[in-house]
Amino acid sequence: DVKVTQSSRYLVKRTGEKVFLECVQDMDHENMFWYRQDPGLGLRLIYFSYDVKMKEKGDIPEGYSVSREKKERFSLILESASTNQTSMYLCASTPDSTYYGYTFGSGTRLTVV
Amino acid sequence: GEDVEQSLFLSVREGDSSVINCTYTDSSSTYLYWYKQEPGAGLQLLTYIFSNMDMKQDQRLTVLLNKKDKHLSLRIADTQTGDSAIYFCAERGSNTGKLIFGQGTTLQVKP
Repeated sequence: DVKVTQSSRYLVKRTGEKVFLECVQDMDHENMFWYRQDPGLGLRLIYFSYDVKMKEKGDIPEGYSVSREKKERFSLILESASTNQTSMYLCASTPDSTYYGYTFGSGTRLTVV
Repeated sequence: GEDVEQSLFLSVREGDSSVINCTYTDSSSTYLYWYKQEPGAGLQLLTYIFSNMDMKQDQRLTVLLNKKDKHLSLRIADTQTGDSAIYFCAERGSNTGKLIFGQGTTLQVKP
């Protein structure tokens, strides 16, 4: 089974802190994604990556950056955390084959206080 | 543009059938998907259907696709309390190749 592992299930950070959310997949997938999920707003795409060192902005990239130095790892960075970034963050990956859906990690619930 | 719409909430009694509906806008979508999200967890792929199919059945799950109306549904037979979750419909956008997700339908199963 493909595994997408997010390093933390729950995180509590202070306003202004730099926050790193890590995501690792073990099936050599080319494509990786970061979403945030908020009640009533569904899933919103923050950033995605088609290959190592490649990144593309999603629908809500403001306040976030990403890093993909190795194929299996995709990191989401909150440069200066704010309370409006309190959310559930979901990482996903997929190969280039068109029929595959995304495989999701278990999510990280981030609270910024 | 590409968009996917779902109703937000459905409540059924244990043992009844549940039908979750979804409409999408991209008539060139090749694959459509149903995901399940249990409380506090990530999304789990339940099933997918290729756009040249009308129906796909997998144990208690039946997916119906009406391509003319761009309507997708997920029927869960003999719904159990363990089926309580959020269900997301998604299409693979023909322009971008990315999955476009609906808002999710919360299914509440009452004993």
